[in-house]
Amino acid sequence: DAGVIQSPRHEVTEMGQEVTLRCKPISGHDYLFWYRQTMMRGLELLIYFNNNVPIDDSGMPEDRFSAKMPNASFSTLKIQPSEPRDSAVYFCASSLAGQGNQPQHFGDGTRLSIL
Amino acid sequence: GQQLNQSPQSMFIQEGEDVSMNCTSSSIFNTWLWYKQDPGEGPVLLIALYKAGELTSNGRLTAQFGITRKDSFLNISASIPSDVGIYFCAGYYNTDKLIFGTGTRLQVFP
Repeated sequence: DAGVIQSPRHEVTEMGQEVTLRCKPISGHDYLFWYRQTMMRGLELLIYFNNNVPIDDSGMPEDRFSAKMPNASFSTLKIQPSEPRDSAVYFCASSLAGQGNQPQHFGDGTRLSIL
Repeated sequence: GQQLNQSPQSMFIQEGEDVSMNCTSSSIFNTWLWYKQDPGEGPVLLIALYKAGELTSNGRLTAQFGITRKDSFLNISASIPSDVGIYFCAGYYNTDKLIFGTGTRLQVFP
């Protein structure tokens, strides 16, 4: 079975540019999560969706970050304008619905470098 | 916010040795999960635990859900070089958000 698919795997761009990260969750999963991982802060939850609806975006750093899930098989995380401090690895994860007990399955991430 | 205390932070061991790491919380958790992350990849689920006292194995890996529901441990027996990586505990306590530990970095020397 295909796992969570993220693209691109690597992105290098100059500050001020718009960055769009993409995610295809595991088919049939109801939840989708976006995380950011850095050495200093570890894994941080940015936002998550249930049945394509954003549930909690309290982890989104600021208004430069936005996320959408137009259908059950696709989500985007956008940064506009990007800044060097946004450099990190961004992970997407998905899970089945449950009473807060379903394991999340992660993609291989997008390594983002903002110059 | 809620945090998980994971220890040790890092381990340097010889191939063939057994490894033990643990995670503790001040709150009661409903589910404990253990993940492994290799360089350049996402965390991969190793073991999921759903009941207090549950002991589950996956090959050379064994994990337990603490009786108090506030802790969990992961053991790796007879370590091999490919066990190298970062191990994360994670858990749910009362929301859909997964809380992660800070990770244990394992290095195995031949």
